[in-house]
Amino acid sequence: EVQLLESGGGLAQPGGSLRLSCAASGFTFSSYALSWVRQAPGKGLEWISTISGSGRDTYYADSVKGRFAISRDNSKSTLFLHLNNLRAEDTAVYYCAKVTTGFGYWGQGTLVTVSS
Amino acid sequence: NFILSQPHSVSESPGKTVTISCTRSRDSIASNYVQWYQQRPDSAPRTVIYEDNQRPSGVPDRFSGSIDSSSNSASLTISGLKTEDEADYYCQSYDSSSLWVFGGGTKVTVL
Repeated sequence: EVQLLESGGGLAQPGGSLRLSCAASGFTFSSYALSWVRQAPGKGLEWISTISGSGRDTYYADSVKGRFAISRDNSKSTLFLHLNNLRAEDTAVYYCAKVTTGFGYWGQGTLVTVSS
Repeated sequence: NFILSQPHSVSESPGKTVTISCTRSRDSIASNYVQWYQQRPDSAPRTVIYEDNQRPSGVPDRFSGSIDSSSNSASLTISGLKTEDEADYYCQSYDSSSLWVFGGGTKVTVL
């Protein structure tokens, strides 16, 4: 059974940083691209980043490019998202998702709140 | 870049059928697969349709997907509506410049 478990969310100040983690199990981790998708309170889903199975290729939405960095540790089946220079509009639940044709499996999400 | 447009909300009675549209703003709807996700309140999204019209295991056959090139849109149809189908539904597709794109979501209310 595919399982994705996010952690690392919490309260951060504007301009601050956080690192989110997503622990995966139930599939061959290095064979799949993984993504982060976020959802601001009361809003829709927004794709923000994807990393290839090897980690060599990364993709970002314009809204986070230059501020967020996606990475993975295939030896530990863990996905990361480094959030830097945070803004109030980054407040959201952040989901990790396994990429199949779309986003086949989702974690339960971790809440990031950016506020002073 | 392209946009996927969905109606804000739809409502119907239990046992009836509801169809949600998802219109692609540019390029053919058939150029990349469309997925549909269901998100119940306070829950993570889950896939109900992938690759335009495929159902993951565990998704009831009351859920079906299609694409229509004449209107450049995809549709999610839920037949035999149940109260448990009350949720937000999002379409999603892809292209090489916009990458992964979601529609704005449609709230389905079962009256």
